[in-house]
Amino acid sequence: AQSVTQPDIHITVSEGASLELRCNYSYGATPYLFWYVQSPGQGLQLLLKYFSGDTLVQGIKGFEAEFKRSQSSFNLRKPSVHWSDAAEYFCAVLSYSGGGADGLTFGKGTHLIIQP
Amino acid sequence: KAGVTQTPRYLIKTRGQQVTLSCSPISGHRSVSWYQQTPGQGLQFLFEYFSETQRNKGNFPGRFSGRQFSNSRSEMNVSTLELGDSALYLCASSSVPGQGNTEAFFGQGTRLTVV
Repeated sequence: AQSVTQPDIHITVSEGASLELRCNYSYGATPYLFWYVQSPGQGLQLLLKYFSGDTLVQGIKGFEAEFKRSQSSFNLRKPSVHWSDAAEYFCAVLSYSGGGADGLTFGKGTHLIIQP
Repeated sequence: KAGVTQTPRYLIKTRGQQVTLSCSPISGHRSVSWYQQTPGQGLQFLFEYFSETQRNKGNFPGRFSGRQFSNSRSEMNVSTLELGDSALYLCASSSVPGQGNTEAFFGQGTRLTVV
């Protein structure tokens, strides 16, 4: 069965510093991978997605992610964080079975704290 | 273009009752998916509807059900509520089913508290 692991429950970063959030997935075929962000009391907003092609994908708000098949990873990065980036970040994989897509499988999330 | 609208935003119910949540997708979107978010289990896929048909379902008991109307609006129902059903229920809409080649837009969710 597919799974997504986000090893870091909490990460604290100083404003202006670089950020990397880790994501590892388990899926037999070529994965469709996503990063979502959730602010308190809000729904999920898509930051970026990977389907195929270039393994470095650019997203909104200055985020990027790199797909590494050999490491089963899809880490999210940002060169310089802003206080408004404080939120919960979720990595997800879209799984498929014989009947088609089975919905998104999410990691447990990483809570990002920004220090002034 | 209006986003995904979920109503109500907050709900308090008593154990044993049933509840119905509503989701209006983005205009033109015909696929609606539902997710449950809890602190313990995280985000879990409930089911997806496309053109009034349930395409797939996650690993939830039969107390959780849903439907989709001809205007693509969707409802989910939980019967015989249990304390563990307390969660944020999120709805996502996309233009095609499976979300594989499209972006899924999420609503703000309905916060259900079972007491």
